[in-house]
Amino acid sequence: DTGVSQDPRHKITKRGQNVTFRCDPISEHNRLYWYRQTLGQGPEFLTYFQNEAQLEKSRLLSDRFSAERPKGSFSTLEIQRTEQGDSAMYLCASSLSGALTNEKLFFGSGTQLSVL
Amino acid sequence: TQLLEQSPQFLSIQEGENLTVYCNSSSVFSSLQWYRQEPGEGPVLLVTVVTGGEVKKLKRLTFQFGDARKDSSLHITAAQPGDTGLYLCAGAHIIQGAQKLVFGQGTRLTINP
Repeated sequence: DTGVSQDPRHKITKRGQNVTFRCDPISEHNRLYWYRQTLGQGPEFLTYFQNEAQLEKSRLLSDRFSAERPKGSFSTLEIQRTEQGDSAMYLCASSLSGALTNEKLFFGSGTQLSVL
Repeated sequence: TQLLEQSPQFLSIQEGENLTVYCNSSSVFSSLQWYRQEPGEGPVLLVTVVTGGEVKKLKRLTFQFGDARKDSSLHITAAQPGDTGLYLCAGAHIIQGAQKLVFGQGTRLTINP
């Protein structure tokens, strides 16, 4: 399967612990996005990479959150000192640069985080 | 904060009926996308509309972008149980050379046999 892969699918952690999620985009895609989705809501933009450069970060992304894409391929999203409000589905999406109005995002299945 | 309001949030109808879902905003978007999301999965893109007034058809689904590029609608004709799912609209802004999507809260559609 050559879709966007996210690992783990589910993560349960205790408040105050650090967690890290991984996203493997479709291999030739140079753009990578992170979104967060809480229950009953649509996804919210967190951050965006073009190759290895992080070009945009949402104000939702507090200083406890950090994302990397070191070689322009896979990406990691780390949350330090997790809080119960961090419980959500974390979605990764990738796309191939081209005409922006026709850009097609491919989403992974997400990592469901539960902070106890 | 730019908001996209979807209505209705929940819709349960019988197989064979028609329905329309609305997506409204006060913001102008470069494009408007519609996604479908199954439980435990990520959203899957159905269609992108770009031009004000544009209409696109995907089998029994008809998508329309408002003339002012602030609102959109999804119309399903003769709904089938397989159409059951969460439908999300998303407005796109171009920022730093990429699309930043603003999603609505979704319409959870149930088609009863």
